[in-house]
Amino acid sequence: ETGVTQSPTHLIKTRGQQVTLRCSSQSGHNTVSWYQQALGQGPQFIFQYYREEENGRGNFPPRFSGLQFPNYSSELNVNALELDDSALYLCASSLGGSNSPLHFGNGTRLTVT
Amino acid sequence: AQSVTQLDSHVSVSEGTPVLLRCNYSSSYSPSLFWYVQHPNKGLQLLLKYTSAATLVKGINGFEAEFKKSETSFHLTKPSAHMSDAAEYFCVVRTLEYGNKLVFGAGTILRVKS
Repeated sequence: ETGVTQSPTHLIKTRGQQVTLRCSSQSGHNTVSWYQQALGQGPQFIFQYYREEENGRGNFPPRFSGLQFPNYSSELNVNALELDDSALYLCASSLGGSNSPLHFGNGTRLTVT
Repeated sequence: AQSVTQLDSHVSVSEGTPVLLRCNYSSSYSPSLFWYVQHPNKGLQLLLKYTSAATLVKGINGFEAEFKKSETSFHLTKPSAHMSDAAEYFCVVRTLEYGNKLVFGAGTILRVKS
């Protein structure tokens, strides 16, 4: 059983640039969600996709967008990067349903300078 | 109002002694509750979950948590700490009130002394 994999592991970008982060879901999982974990804080929910449709969004601006593909892999795109976007970005996949546990990847560490 | 509060940002115990990590939640609906652990430079690993079945939940690596509705608490315990338990622990709530998304506490860093 393949777990959740994220790429790249680390990334450095300049303020104003755009970034794309990628996630491969655990085999058989049709739901993917993204979280932002700033230094010293708990993860914050960005959004969730189920069968290629966004079906939940946290308190993040529209410059945070995503995609889910037919194979259930996913991308997180962030436009017009700001210094405060520096964080660990975590992807999690699940079978869907309120009681299904989330399986997390190891994250992408984004640094914005 | 804070939906999930971890009462201690840091906990330090000696190896072989009990561990208690405290968590309180607020929700008008029946919640699902989880504890996740995060080792340095790693993703989050599920320790255990409560989803309205037995109130005492057993998880991996000897951890347990008890759901107490009257106290709105879901404290994590382990009878005997091991050095490998040193990590950051997150209490997480999921309810209809929050759109069924996971809401994380701020985390508790557990230090285990030899």
